[in-house]
Amino acid sequence: DAGVIQSPRHEVTEMGQEVTLRCKPISGHDYLFWYRQTMMRGLELLIYFNNNVPIDDSGMPEDRFSAKMPNASFSTLKIQPSEPRDSAVYFCASSLIPGNEQFFGPGTRLTVL
Amino acid sequence: AQSVSQHNHHVILSEAASLELGCNYSYGGTVNLFWYVQYPGQHLQLLLKYFSGDPLVKGIKGFEAEFIKSKFSFNLRKPSVQWSDTAEYFCAVNGGYSSASKIIFGSGTRLSIRP
Repeated sequence: DAGVIQSPRHEVTEMGQEVTLRCKPISGHDYLFWYRQTMMRGLELLIYFNNNVPIDDSGMPEDRFSAKMPNASFSTLKIQPSEPRDSAVYFCASSLIPGNEQFFGPGTRLTVL
Repeated sequence: AQSVSQHNHHVILSEAASLELGCNYSYGGTVNLFWYVQYPGQHLQLLLKYFSGDPLVKGIKGFEAEFIKSKFSFNLRKPSVQWSDTAEYFCAVNGGYSSASKIIFGSGTRLSIRP
């Protein structure tokens, strides 16, 4: 298996622009998680899905952030409009069993100028 | 709510030194416990996990962790570290019906090994 795939690996954009991050979970994994990692806040859970349905989005920082999972093999995290404080590494992870090991993707390093 | 505390933010050791990283969690019920490692510029990878059974868990690369229920602790150990162990280490916990699918991560401990 190729593991969790994320794209792009790096994204540099200007403040106010829309940013879309993409994730393909491991095939068969019913749980998908989006995390944000910064030096100041560490690793934060933003939202997670079960069977393509958002279960807990309490970690989404504000309305500028939205996430979708249109099918079992694809999810997006969108920031519109982006701000410099959104600069971080965004990880996607998936798991087969709730509460069990999560497999992380390589992350997307986002820089908002 | 669950929480995970990693009291050591940055640990610096020489090669061959012994390592112990502390982890305490707050949830009093049945828990699943994890240690993840993040090498520089890479994603998180699982080092080891504890669900039940023998409280001394052995993971990859010579790491082990001991679950002490009475102390709510799950400390990570390695008898002799190598330069390649330089990384950030995250303790994580899952437990409780309300967050059955989530894993709560600690703030991480950065480990620097002097060659």
